Amino acid sequence: EAQVTQNPRYLITVTGKKLTVTCSQNMNHEYMSWYRQDPGLGLRQIYYSMNVEVTDKGDVPEGYKVSRKEKRNFPLILESPSPNQTSLYFCASSLTGGPGYGYTFGSGTRLTVV
Amino acid sequence: TQLLEQSPQFLSIQEGENLTVYCNSSSVFSSLQWYRQEPGEGPVLLVTVVTGGEVKKLKRLTFQFGDARKDSSLHITAAQTGDTGLYLCAGGGGSYIPTFGRGTSLIVHP
Repeated sequence: EAQVTQNPRYLITVTGKKLTVTCSQNMNHEYMSWYRQDPGLGLRQIYYSMNVEVTDKGDVPEGYKVSRKEKRNFPLILESPSPNQTSLYFCASSLTGGPGYGYTFGSGTRLTVV
Repeated sequence: TQLLEQSPQFLSIQEGENLTVYCNSSSVFSSLQWYRQEPGEGPVLLVTVVTGGEVKKLKRLTFQFGDARKDSSLHITAAQTGDTGLYLCAGGGGSYIPTFGRGTSLIVHP
């Protein structure tokens, strides 16, 4: 089944403790991206990647890192999480990311930073 | 920054009723997608429209892209409880950062 898999689904952590949220897709998509979804603010893009070793900032990149060493994986790294990063996170992929192509989203990771 | 305004924000209707939700912008988009998101899950792509004036149908759902490619509408005929969810529109422009609207939350009561 074609899908984007995120792990974990739920995560509670403490301020400053480094964490990684994994994302993997099995559709051979070139484009992958991370979003956070907050009430009243909607979906906002954190980082995106057009292909292996090519990443770029989205609208809200502060406090996050990403890497794209393999085509299928695009982990999101929070080096020193803070409470304002408490949110619902989604990974998404697209064939190319260009106009005309929609996105396949993962099921989400609900992160709480205390 | 391109903005997409969705209306209404909330919609609560009875099963069998028809409804239309709107997605508007002052910017031109090269393509526009509609997604449905259920609580606790990721958005699921419903349709992509790319041509001004384009109309696409998906069973009881009809999507229209405005002639000027600045707006879109989603019409649901004879709504069912399974249509309940958050409907999001997303516009693609010249960059690889799509613009998402904040969504229309639809509840269909039995």
